Amino acid sequence: GALVYQYPRRTICKSGTSMRMECQAVGFQATSVAWYRQSPQKTFELIALSTVNSAIKYEQNFTQEKFPISHPNLSFSSMTVLNAYLEDRGLYLCGVPGLGNTGQLYFGEGSKLTVL
Amino acid sequence: GDSVTQTEGQVTVSESKSLIINCTYSTTSIAYPNLFWYVRYPGEGLQLLLKVITAGQKGSSRGFEATYNKETTSFHLQKASVQESDSAVYYCALGDLYGGSNYKLTFGKGTLLTVTP
Repeated sequence: GALVYQYPRRTICKSGTSMRMECQAVGFQATSVAWYRQSPQKTFELIALSTVNSAIKYEQNFTQEKFPISHPNLSFSSMTVLNAYLEDRGLYLCGVPGLGNTGQLYFGEGSKLTVL
Repeated sequence: GDSVTQTEGQVTVSESKSLIINCTYSTTSIAYPNLFWYVRYPGEGLQLLLKVITAGQKGSSRGFEATYNKETTSFHLQKASVQESDSAVYYCALGDLYGGSNYKLTFGKGTLLTVTP
């Protein structure tokens, strides 16, 4: 079946440092990967959509300068949170669209970022 | 813009009792919204519980049901008899299946369901 793995599961970093998280799809192709964030007391919000061999599309309030994304092949994507501060803490999820146009996303377990 | 509202942040239900988690949606940009319930069990990732693409249809999975009501813009989640294993956080979500953005989901804030023995 389709599975999505994310790592690390948890990271604690000092304010002003950076954190890289990875997303791997197993059993199906991740032509596109959607990165979401759930901040404390908030719901999931889309950061960006990454598509292999295409430009990465960032949502309003999120930039490549802050959240650079790499998507080198059909099974792997990574995103870095640069210069992390308190407002960047939360759970980061990667979601991969399933086969066919079903609208379903397969999510990883998430990478939880704590900023000290 | 698009939004999803879940009025209950937390719900506690006794085992074998019925459950309803409310969800309403609003969209100004999506001509044919599709609706989802995702669930996150403790220690696990976010996973799809059920989805409905067409207004008026009902989706069901694992004993849960939800009907896409376009008139009331609602997609309430119901279960006739809950079990302790249903304890989880439930998220209602709105998608744009036909608009070419099937990766972009608008989520509600989630409802934490606790089922007590």
